[in-house]
Amino acid sequence: SQKIEQNSEALNIQEGKTATLTCNYTNYSPAYLQWYRQDPGRGPVFLLLIRENEKEKRKERLKVTFDTTLKQSLFHITASQPADSATYLCARMDSSYKLIFGSGTRLLVRP
Amino acid sequence: DAGVIQSPRHEVTEMGQEVTLRCKPISGHDYLFWYRQTMMRGLELLIYFNNNVPIDDSGMPEDRFSAKMPNASFSTLKIQPSEPRDSAVYFCASSLDNNQPQHFGDGTRLSIL
Repeated sequence: SQKIEQNSEALNIQEGKTATLTCNYTNYSPAYLQWYRQDPGRGPVFLLLIRENEKEKRKERLKVTFDTTLKQSLFHITASQPADSATYLCARMDSSYKLIFGSGTRLLVRP
Repeated sequence: DAGVIQSPRHEVTEMGQEVTLRCKPISGHDYLFWYRQTMMRGLELLIYFNNNVPIDDSGMPEDRFSAKMPNASFSTLKIQPSEPRDSAVYFCASSLDNNQPQHFGDGTRLSIL
């Protein structure tokens, strides 16, 4: 079965630093990966989608990479701010065309 | 633009009671998804619809769970009878198609006593 794994430990960083979150997957590489942000008491909000033929994608202070050799995606937030504190989820499509989410990594940005 | 609207936001009821969760997807979205989120199991897909037709309900935990989409602007998830282990946050999401990003509602926090 296709699995997607994220570091369950919270990432605690200082404001202004770059946050890097990791998403690892098993079995075949998905055609794309998606990243979502979830705040407490709210639903996930889509951030970025990266396709397997794209090595890197950027959106403002966000950057996502996709390494099909390592079976890994990295999600970076540069110049992090306390408002970036949230849980970040990655997701992949499985062979049944259903989106499977990782358990999420909680990011805490200290002022 | 209005996003995905779910109701109620919170529901507390006693075990054995029927629970109905409601969702209004974004207008024009052909896909609607129901998810359940718990600390132990994360975000799990229960069922999804395409053009009001259920496509995959393999994530529905038991026969106690049922979902309907009578029209393009409304869906329900029903649990009957409810049990304490059904306590979770239930999310509805919609998308233009199955390869597009999903837009989530803010969920229904369900507590079964």
